[in-house]
Amino acid sequence: QKEVEQNSGPLSVPEGAIASLNCTYSDRGSQSFFWYRQYSGKSPELIMSIYSNGDKEDGRFTAQLNKASQYVSLLIRDSQPSDSATYLCAVTDSGTYKYIFGTGTRLKVLA
Amino acid sequence: ETGVTQTPRHLVMGMTNKKSLKCEQHLGHNAMYWYKQSAKKPLELMFVYSLEERVENNSVPSRFSPECPNSSHLFLHLHTLQPEDSALYLCASSQDVGGREAFFGQGTRLTVV
Repeated sequence: QKEVEQNSGPLSVPEGAIASLNCTYSDRGSQSFFWYRQYSGKSPELIMSIYSNGDKEDGRFTAQLNKASQYVSLLIRDSQPSDSATYLCAVTDSGTYKYIFGTGTRLKVLA
Repeated sequence: ETGVTQTPRHLVMGMTNKKSLKCEQHLGHNAMYWYKQSAKKPLELMFVYSLEERVENNSVPSRFSPECPNSSHLFLHLHTLQPEDSALYLCASSQDVGGREAFFGQGTRLTVV
């Protein structure tokens, strides 16, 4: 069973700090990696995608991918209370190209 | 208009009822998905359609019946559900199956009483 592992949290950070969210995956052949943000009672919203090793930056968000370690992370700089949500990591299954989701990490940004 | 639209947003149904969930995507995508999200569990893939053809049926009970009349529309027909089927049902679409980003609709919060 291919899996995506995330710490469920909550991860609490003060406003203005850097929030670091981590994800590991079991399928060594996965090629595509995504971070979604989900507010309580709402649907997942795509915030970052990354396909190659290294860092990808978009505004306050940076995704980091290390395929050798099967590890993908999301950094949120200058965290705001509005960033408080559950962050879902997703990867594509190398055999079927389906998306495999983690259970999500709940982030709380304290004002 | 949002990219992926789901209706209804909320649904309460009895165990003997028949109802349908509707999803429409305006992104020109070829693949559409139904997911179930229950508390404390990862998103569960239910069905995948590629160009209106079902390519995945993840051992979903027959009381859930999908229909994809064209590449923009997806339905989930519900019949004789159980209370444990209460969950958030999410529709998503992507350009093709896997590979690139999937975009979700707002979801239908289903309660079976």
